[in-house]
Amino acid sequence: AQTVTQSQPEMSVQEAETVTLSCTYDTSENNYYLFWYKQPPSRQMILVIRQEAYKQQNATENRFSVNFQKAAKSFSLKISDSQLGDTAMYFCAFMKQGNKFYFGSGTKLNVKP
Amino acid sequence: DTEVTQTPKHLVMGMTNKKSLKCEQHMGHRAMYWYKQKAKKPPELMFVYSYEKLSINESVPSRFSPECPNSSLLNLHLHALQPEDSALYLCASSQDRDGLIYEQYFGPGTRLTVT
Repeated sequence: AQTVTQSQPEMSVQEAETVTLSCTYDTSENNYYLFWYKQPPSRQMILVIRQEAYKQQNATENRFSVNFQKAAKSFSLKISDSQLGDTAMYFCAFMKQGNKFYFGSGTKLNVKP
Repeated sequence: DTEVTQTPKHLVMGMTNKKSLKCEQHMGHRAMYWYKQKAKKPPELMFVYSYEKLSINESVPSRFSPECPNSSLLNLHLHALQPEDSALYLCASSQDRDGLIYEQYFGPGTRLTVT
């Protein structure tokens, strides 16, 4: 069975600073993808970033980057230059073949002005 | 067009009512999903359709009945619901090709309240 753990239920960061959200997972699979999704309050869930397990290079998307440690089964999200619009629930998700996502419990991020 | 649309946005229904939720996508995706999400919790998978066929049913009670009329549409028929079924119902879609993994695109959800 696959499990995804987000150990930080809630975090706060000052605007313009950097914050890192943690995610660990457990799997015996070798071919899988990892994702970070963002769900702003009362708004749509959107994909922030994805990482293919076979790629050693960490994915980046503008201010968002990941630290993917395959051996440690760790997949953290770093948000640089935090903005008020980054305030949201962030879900880490694992997916292998079979069209099924395994979500973590989420981290609520508050960006303070 | 990278949009998944859902109607209605809000729905209030009594326990004896029958209602339906609708989801639509025009991205050519062949996998579509229903999720249930409670406040401050991750989405819980309910059903997966792959090429218009039901491929995953996560032991959902029969008062929820999914339907996939075509590759762009997904419905969720609701009957005799309980107050604990009140939640945000999310639809998602993704590409679907054997052996490959794709991200899911989510709709805005339908906020359901059962009275």
